[in-house]
Amino acid sequence: EIVLTQSPGTLSLSPGERATLSCRAGQSLTSSYLAWYQQKPGQTPRLLIYGVSSRATGIPDRFSGSGSGTDFTLTINRLEPEDFAVYYCQHYGGSSWTFGPGTKVEIK
Amino acid sequence: EVQLVESGGGLVKPGLSLRLSCEASGFPFGSFSMNWVRQAPGKGLEWVSSISSSGTYISYADSVKGRFTISRDNAKNSLYLQMNSLTAEDTALYFCAKGAGGKQNDLWGQGTLVTVSS
Repeated sequence: EIVLTQSPGTLSLSPGERATLSCRAGQSLTSSYLAWYQQKPGQTPRLLIYGVSSRATGIPDRFSGSGSGTDFTLTINRLEPEDFAVYYCQHYGGSSWTFGPGTKVEIK
Repeated sequence: EVQLVESGGGLVKPGLSLRLSCEASGFPFGSFSMNWVRQAPGKGLEWVSSISSSGTYISYADSVKGRFTISRDNAKNSLYLQMNSLTAEDTALYFCAKGAGGKQNDLWGQGTLVTVSS
């Protein structure tokens, strides 16, 4: 099972700034099954990015995903007030799914 | 409306069993794989189990293997999770989630809370 590590644990930023979230895999991912989710307090997770860099339906273009191998990034350009939340990366490894521990993006 | 609605959660004593259900609507349920994902209070997301669209392929996280059984009834647009030998570590909000072609989960239910305590 591939372990996913997310950094930083908490990111303190102001609205309008850019957020860069990292997801690192314990070994190189041989597939493009890497997704990102957003979860706000008391809410269900929401799919943002799938296949490393494809935006899910209805997701604003300020969200973008990139990366390959072991290093993946979720970038949020020009943070909006509604973007402050916890973000999880997820990988499908053939017969199981793994989530990273999450990065909290909080208002500075 | 496209949605997933979980039910069946509650307070249960350690060692006992519980069966969760997830009813789907608004999409062709039988065409998609489905997953159970849980979230312990104040913690992150943990994948629990997955079942293919036909029910042929099933997988479990090591933490629940041998104790939990996933199943589905496509005629009833429903997904199930039979949970046996429950422990305090199984206390969590259990989400059902729809699978998509790229193995991501593009639709989630609101979750049903399972509390294991004596």
